[in-house]
This record gives sequence, structure tokens and C-alpha cells, in this order.
Amino acid sequence: GAVVSQHPSWVICKSGTSVKIECRSLDFQATTMFWYRQFPKQSLMLMATSNEGSKATYEQGVEKDKFLINHASLTLSTLTVTSAHPEDSSFYICSARLFGTKSPNYNEQFFGPGTRLTVL
Amino acid sequence: QKEVEQNSGPLSVPEGAIASLNCTYSDRGSQSFFWYRQYSGKSPELIMSIYSNGDKEDGRFTAQLNKASQYVSLLIRDSQPSDSATYLCAVNKSGGSYIPTFGRGTSLIVHP
Repeated sequence: GAVVSQHPSWVICKSGTSVKIECRSLDFQATTMFWYRQFPKQSLMLMATSNEGSKATYEQGVEKDKFLINHASLTLSTLTVTSAHPEDSSFYICSARLFGTKSPNYNEQFFGPGTRLTVL
Repeated sequence: QKEVEQNSGPLSVPEGAIASLNCTYSDRGSQSFFWYRQYSGKSPELIMSIYSNGDKEDGRFTAQLNKASQYVSLLIRDSQPSDSATYLCAVNKSGGSYIPTFGRGTSLIVHP
């Protein structure tokens, strides 16, 4: 159980275009999904916290108008990188947190396989 | 002081040995603690979660939590080359939001 999928797994796009990444929890409902970015050999950087039916909460320094997050249901969140530039090239990873479970595994996050974005 | 601190390593251990990975955190009110394994080029995979002081064992893995010392560790017994990866410690902040904070990770190398 607790499987999270991401699509696409990799994408190459031209500078100035927009890219949408989907994150789905396949076998559980997730009240909260997180979006991370990871540059090579660096640590995970939390970009935003996404709660179903409400606006995402962005971490300091993350442009909300550039990284649009929609969490329309308990199983789907999307991240759209708008007007992508080469510096946006990175490994984007989502995670989903179990809903409503108190014990023993509450607050566990499960990560999707990630999306590798290359902007030319 | 960083919120979650880990030694970046690399920690190198021989096959069959016990690997000990350590993590300290600054938020005394933290209640949830997690260890993730991340292979190069892949996303993190949850190994263990621990919520109470003491030890929690799962197969070759043992998580140890000491809230008084704000310290959580992961022991890997009978280390295998396939355990070579970066191990991330994550701590949920107190205050109800349960926003996770990750350490920078410790690189573990298990050599044959």
C-alpha cells in the first residue's frame, strides 16, 4: 500500500514553455501533498505544502506565480512550472501524507518517483 | 543551529557490519521522526517511523529515539552493499501543521 505516482517521469522542454507535473496517491487518500525540488548532490528542498481544496502554502523564496499548485482531490495534486527557464531544471518530487490515520503510521509521507525536468 | 542535523559522511562500513546513522533536531516539541533512504537519482523511500522514546526494530533496521537529548538514530545490522545510499532524517515540526523538516542526509557506503 501507500503508493504515489508521478507523471511524467522526465520532461525536456524549451525555455518559456509551461510544464505540468501530476502527483497521485493510488491506494490511499491524502489530505496533504508536498512538493520538493532537488538539485544534483543537494538536499531536498520543500517548495510548498498542498492541502486538498485550499490554496497551497509556499516556502519562503518560492514564487507562487511561477510554481502553480492545484490540489483538486484527495488523490491528485499538480505542479505547473510556468515560463520555465534553464535554472528551473531540477528533480521535482511530490509526496503524499496518509489521511485520518492515527496510529501507528500517522504523518508518514510517501514519495512519488520524481520528475526530472530539463529546460533547454 | 540547523533544525535537523546529520553528518553528511560518507560513512563507510564493511559488508556485514553495523552502520550507525545519527540525527539531532532543534524543535523540542517534535513528535514524529522518520528515516528515509534515497538511492542516487531516485526519490526517497520510507524506512522507519518512530514516535516514542526507545528502540523500534524492523528487520535489519532499528530506530532509536531520545527526546530528552533530541536525538534519533538508525542502526543497520548486517550491512549489505545494496544499503549504500543517502539516508535522510525527517522531523515533523510541532504546532499542529506537521510540516516535515529534512536533514541533508548521510551518505552510507557499504564495501564488500
